[in-house]
Amino acid sequence: EAGVTQSPTHLIKTRGQQVTLRCSPISGHTSVYWYQQALGLGLQFLLWYDEGEERNRGNFPPRFSGRQFPNYSSELNVNALELEDSALYLCASSLAMTSGGDNEQFFGPGTRLTVL
Amino acid sequence: AQKVTQAQTEISVVEKEDVTLDCVYETRDTTYYLFWYKQPPSGELVFLIRRNSFDEQNEISGRYSWNFQKSTSSFNFTITASQVVDSAVYFCALSERRGNKLVFGAGTILRVKS
Repeated sequence: EAGVTQSPTHLIKTRGQQVTLRCSPISGHTSVYWYQQALGLGLQFLLWYDEGEERNRGNFPPRFSGRQFPNYSSELNVNALELEDSALYLCASSLAMTSGGDNEQFFGPGTRLTVL
Repeated sequence: AQKVTQAQTEISVVEKEDVTLDCVYETRDTTYYLFWYKQPPSGELVFLIRRNSFDEQNEISGRYSWNFQKSTSSFNFTITASQVVDSAVYFCALSERRGNKLVFGAGTILRVKS
């Protein structure tokens, strides 16, 4: 069974540009989470989508946004890129919060974003 | 507010030594979930274990074991007979309710030397 997939693997952008990162969850998972792992800042929660709805949002500015599609894949958009946005962006998926099943989050390989 | 503390920034051991990674958490909820993840150099977080707040039973899986103690708010992870392949960053994480965000500790870098 395929795990969580993310694209692209690496990305280089310049300040002020916009970027879109993509994530496909494990088959059967409807919850998707986004995390940022920046050097020195650890793993920070960004966004959580479940059944197409945004359920929770971390302490990030509005230029970080996303959406979840009917097939449960997700996009993370970052506008007006700043140097400090350079990080590994990790996507995770889990069973739906209402499923009654185990709620472990399984992570993808990440997208490494470099902002110059 | 939720908080996870991994006081050990980096640990170095020689192969076959046992090593314990500490994790202390803070939460006001009575129902919560604790996790351990491994992050090898490739960057992908690998799920190791989940423990529910109402289940204090310790668990052993091969060379891995976990000690959950609510009285001290700790969820420690022990690797027995460490191997070079165990070298990675290990993260402890807390979730306050089903399906919600994970709050991670800062991680512990484990280096196992041959």
